[in-house]
Amino acid sequence: SQQGEEDPQALSIQEGENATMNCSYKTSINNLQWYRQNSGRGLVHLILIRSNEREKHSGRLRVTLDTSKKSSSLLITASRAADTASYFCATRAGAGSYQLTFGKGTKLSVIP
Amino acid sequence: DADVTQTPRNRITKTGKRIMLECSQTKGHDRMYWYRQDPGLGLRLIYYSFDVKDINKGEISDGYSVSRQAQAKFSLSLESAIPNQTALYFCATSDSQVGPGNTIYFGEGSWLTVV
Repeated sequence: SQQGEEDPQALSIQEGENATMNCSYKTSINNLQWYRQNSGRGLVHLILIRSNEREKHSGRLRVTLDTSKKSSSLLITASRAADTASYFCATRAGAGSYQLTFGKGTKLSVIP
Repeated sequence: DADVTQTPRNRITKTGKRIMLECSQTKGHDRMYWYRQDPGLGLRLIYYSFDVKDINKGEISDGYSVSRQAQAKFSLSLESAIPNQTALYFCATSDSQVGPGNTIYFGEGSWLTVV
């Protein structure tokens, strides 16, 4: 069963605009990760935020985590056509948990 | 060369046939996974292995079996393929030594169509 649920399911923006994707989850987590998938390709890890962190940056990516609301957001600033992909959040439950549970993804289209 | 290599990348097979998807990795990781991706359903874990002697069922293991032939090799078998096993299959690895926040590294995927 899916732990994370991304919102929106699809997002279309113009190049240069910011893209915001949200992820909600159901149970307590140890960390939350965001992955990117180009069409038909493997997933690539983007960024990880731990449960005791509230915000994290990596280049044009900004991730926030609100454990009280069980939600996270991924912001891509100054989007580029090459950012077109599907973005997935994934949660790891406990410190000793083996399993990374993925959401259904947000499909981002950046129009040149 | 890719760190996580899956073969075949594409396969069409008939219902009832046995099919094996193979995965090899050069990352030296001890943990390996098989995921299945269906449109609109995200990724679901089929099997995972913490080392050669440790294999565990994931969320959707029915109809699948796995073999960890070596630390670097993890194969997924469909003993008698059925059409609803048509999907994109991913092998993945992670390093237990990194800690509970370890990142998962994915192969490029194997498209399987069962007709």
